[in-house]
Parts: sequence; C-alpha cells; structure tokens
Amino acid sequence: AQSVTQLDSHVSVSEGTPVLLRCNYSSSYSPSLFWYVQHPNKGLQLLLKYTSAATLVKGINGFEAEFKKSETSFHLTKPSAHMSDAAEYFCVGVRGSGNTGKLIFGQGTTLQVKP
Amino acid sequence: GAGVSQSPRYKVTKRGQDVALRCDPISGHVSLYWYRQALGQGPEFLTYFNYEAQQDKSGLPNDRFSAERPEGSISTLTIQRTEQRDSAMYRCASSLAADRVYNEQFFGPGTRLTVL
Repeated sequence: AQSVTQLDSHVSVSEGTPVLLRCNYSSSYSPSLFWYVQHPNKGLQLLLKYTSAATLVKGINGFEAEFKKSETSFHLTKPSAHMSDAAEYFCVGVRGSGNTGKLIFGQGTTLQVKP
Repeated sequence: GAGVSQSPRYKVTKRGQDVALRCDPISGHVSLYWYRQALGQGPEFLTYFNYEAQQDKSGLPNDRFSAERPEGSISTLTIQRTEQRDSAMYRCASSLAADRVYNEQFFGPGTRLTVL
C-alpha cells in the first residue's frame, strides 16, 4: 500500500516570496499522487495530479510539483505567494494497487501568508 | 447545482442517537466516496460505491456505520448509537468512474458532526 508524509504541519511565508510544501511518499510501485487544497469552510479542490506522463506537473493558480523518484518526493511549489493562497494543503496518494480511487491523505500543511 | 452537495452542513446530536448524512453527487458521476476527517488530520477513506453497488467498506470503523446508494445517485451515511468519538467532518466525493485512478474526485463541503 502507498503512504504519504507531509513534512511540515505549518508553513509561513510573506506575500510575494516562494512557497515550498514538502511531501514524501512510499510505494512499491509507480505511485499516483495529487495535491489538494482546502480553504476554510469550503470543499477540497484538486490542485494538480501526477500521472507519470511528466515529472514536473503544473496545476492551477501557479502551483507546480515535481515527482522525484530518487528522493521519493512530490513537493509543491509556487514562485510567489499570494494572500489568497492561505489554506490547508494535502498531499494525497492512492491506497492499494489497482484503480480503486481510494485516496490516502497526508496530515496536511497549513500555509500562512503574511502581508 | 454543479457541485457535490451535502446535508446537513452541521449536525449536533446527543450520544446514543442515530444520524443520517446525505450526499448528492455531481450528475452522471458513477463513483461516490465517503471520507471522515478528524480535527487536525487529513481525510480518511470510509467506503465507496460504483453506481448502487458498495465496492469497498473496509474503512468503516465498526458496525454502527453503514452507507447506501440505492438508486446509484444520492447516498446516505448512517451512524447508529453515536458516540463522542464519532465527532468529525464527514466528506463525500464523486468522480466519473473509479476504473481510472486519475479521474478527479470532486468533494462536497462536508457535514460537521458533533456528538455531545
């Protein structure tokens, strides 16, 4: 089974500075990986997904993530933070093999953006 | 509405009562999932359906929890004899199909359950 670990429970950045949210995964096979964002009082929204077609994945709102097999990492980045990026971010894998769609979420990283 | 809807948004109940949480998926979506999210944690898988068939209920904590989707659309998650440890956000998601893992799951706003 696959698992994901988010290395930071809380990240604080200033507006306009880069964002880095770290995620490591463990999987005995080619993983399926996603990043979801959760704004207060709203549902979870898909930011991007790794489909094995390309190691650098671009998502919505300027976010991107790079799949690094050698480091078993799938870190989320953005060159310049905006106040509206403040939210909780989840690195997500898929439980078990096969296409069951059973998502397994990391613990989450709360991103704070300071003016 | 175009998205996944859940009702009620908030539910406060007393220990020992039964509760029913409803999920209305996006029209045409074959797969429907239930997750539970405790405070400060990521969502955890409970169960999922393809059409009306419950494919996997391995995440349901115990036999007080059950779910159904009788007509392959709306689903109800029922918790019998609620306990304080059942307090959490219950999230529903739907996707076009589960046979392709990359199909995006669209999440509803969740139902916040508080058991007193």
